[in-house]
Order: sequence, then C-alpha cells, then structure tokens
Amino acid sequence: EIVMTQSPATLSMSPGERATLSCRASQSISSNLAWYQQKPGQAPRLLIYGASTRATGIPARFSGSGSGTEFTLTITSLQSEDFAVYYCQHYYNWLYTFGQGTKLEIK
Amino acid sequence: EVQLVESGGGLVQPGGSLTLSCAASGFSFSIYSMNWVRQAPGKGLEWVSYISGSGSTIYYADSVKGRFTVSRDNAKSSLYLQTNNLRDEDTAVYYCAKGGNWFESWGQGILVTVSS
Repeated sequence: EIVMTQSPATLSMSPGERATLSCRASQSISSNLAWYQQKPGQAPRLLIYGASTRATGIPARFSGSGSGTEFTLTITSLQSEDFAVYYCQHYYNWLYTFGQGTKLEIK
Repeated sequence: EVQLVESGGGLVQPGGSLTLSCAASGFSFSIYSMNWVRQAPGKGLEWVSYISGSGSTIYYADSVKGRFTVSRDNAKSSLYLQTNNLRDEDTAVYYCAKGGNWFESWGQGILVTVSS
C-alpha cells in the first residue's frame, strides 16, 4: 500500500496570503495524484488531477505541482471560502489511498 | 448537471447488513467507473471499492474485502454497496463518487452507524 503523508496537519493563514500544502508518497507515483477540498458537512470537491491539471470550474488561484514522491498544492491570495480541509489522493494503482488531510484555518 | 444521491444508510447492529444505493443522473452512467469512499466521524477519507463501467472489473480495500460487495445496474443508472458482517469501525459517511482514477463528482453522502 502506498502511504500518502500530508504536511502540515494544520496551516493558519490570513486572507490574501499564499498557502503551500505538501503531500508525500511512500513510493514514486509519477503524476498520478489528485487534490480535494472539503468543507464541514459537505462532500469533497475535486480541485486538481494529474498533479497539476485544474478540474472544471476551479479558480486559477489553485495550482498543483510535483511528480514522483513530492507534491504541492498552492493557493495564491487566499479567499474566505478557501478555508477548509485539503486531501491528496494517489491513483498510481487501484489501491487508492488518501493523505490524512491538511486543515487550512483562518489566522 | 451530474447528480449522485445515496440512500439506504442507518443504524445497524454489529454483524448486521445494509445495502447502500447511489442514484446517478446527468451523465452517461454506463461508461463511467464508480467508487465508494467513506469517512469515519471526524476522520479522513478512505477509498472502499471501485467498479468499472461494465461491472467487469471490481476492486476492494483490504479493510472490507470479503464483507462488502459492489455492483451496478446500468439500466437504472444505479450503484450499490452490499455491506455484510458490519463492524464498529465501519461507522462512517459513505460517498459514491464518479470516476476511474480521480473522483470528479461526489454524492452528498449517507451515514452508516454500527452500534449495539
């Protein structure tokens, strides 16, 4: 099983700032990585797939990068609606696994 | 517009069974792979099961293998998850999700509580 590790667990930021969230895979997964946003009481929403391709309707302030084992989700100029929990997920093989999540909270 | 609506959740005793359903609309259901993903209260996301568009390819997480069975009825645009021999640790919100690798659309989720 590929283990996905996200850091930090909690990130305290202010609106307008730039947020950088990290995700590390226990083995190389090429670019087979997706990012999701989840707000309280809601289902997750796909943000990024293929490590760097934004899903339909996702604002340009969200960007993904990385390959192999190290990945980053960057949110430039944080908006109030961006404060949520973010998960990474690999799909290198069928045994999909998620990271434990990073909570992005208002400072 | 893609819509996925789960149903069939509820309270069940340990060792019991429950069948979850997911009604899909707004897309050509039969050509898309589907998944079940769950989230225990206050915890992260856990992938549970995958089924291809034709239903010919199926995968399960080790935590549910041998106890859960995924199926689909393309004529009814519906996805199912038969859950047997339920354990306390199966308590979670269960989501159906569209897509074969990444999950592009999700239902609102249905709560399954396993408790005596």
